[in-house]
Amino acid sequence: KNQVEQSPQSLIILEGKNCTLQCNYTVSPFSNLRWYKQDTGRGPVSLTIMTFSENTKSNGRYTATLDADTKQSSLHITASQLSDSASYICVVRGKGSYKLIFGSGTRLLVRP
Amino acid sequence: EPEVTQTPSHQVTQMGQEVILRCVPISNHLYFYWYRQILGQKVEFLVSFYNNEISEKSEIFDDQFSVERPDGSNFTLKIRSTKLEDSAMYFCASMDTDTQYFGPGTRLTVL
Repeated sequence: KNQVEQSPQSLIILEGKNCTLQCNYTVSPFSNLRWYKQDTGRGPVSLTIMTFSENTKSNGRYTATLDADTKQSSLHITASQLSDSASYICVVRGKGSYKLIFGSGTRLLVRP
Repeated sequence: EPEVTQTPSHQVTQMGQEVILRCVPISNHLYFYWYRQILGQKVEFLVSFYNNEISEKSEIFDDQFSVERPDGSNFTLKIRSTKLEDSAMYFCASMDTDTQYFGPGTRLTVL
């Protein structure tokens, strides 16, 4: 069954610190992987998208990595800000399909 | 920046009633989607729509659900006879070539 698993489920860090979120997936065949940020009560917003051939992609303070062989991805957030508090969701699209398969997300809380 | 809009933001209905959730996708996008998120759970795919027809749907999307693009700008999700378990956030999304852009969602509460 196509699944996307994320860890940790929740994370609390101090403002200014870095953190790394993990994602494992079993979706096959694989088309691409995205990380979305979702604020409470809002729709998800795309942060990065990575295809099979890419292993690192940055978007400002966000850096995503992908290991397509082990089916793992990570999202690294540098110099966290209070506004980074949100759920971060790993989302995978299978080849030949337009539907997105969502992980449960990591709920990040950045404290002053 | 163009964005997906959804109305209403919150809909309360009685069990058994019909509801229509409305979405205005980003203009020039050709692919449209509905997802739902039950409180505390992950976002789940419902249906994708392209070229005026359903291209893919999940097992959740049964005969009680239907989608329509009535006028070239709106994209609607209809639930014919709502059940308590239909209570959720419903997100509309539209896609250009590769990235799906999500609307702010409609919170549906079925009493």
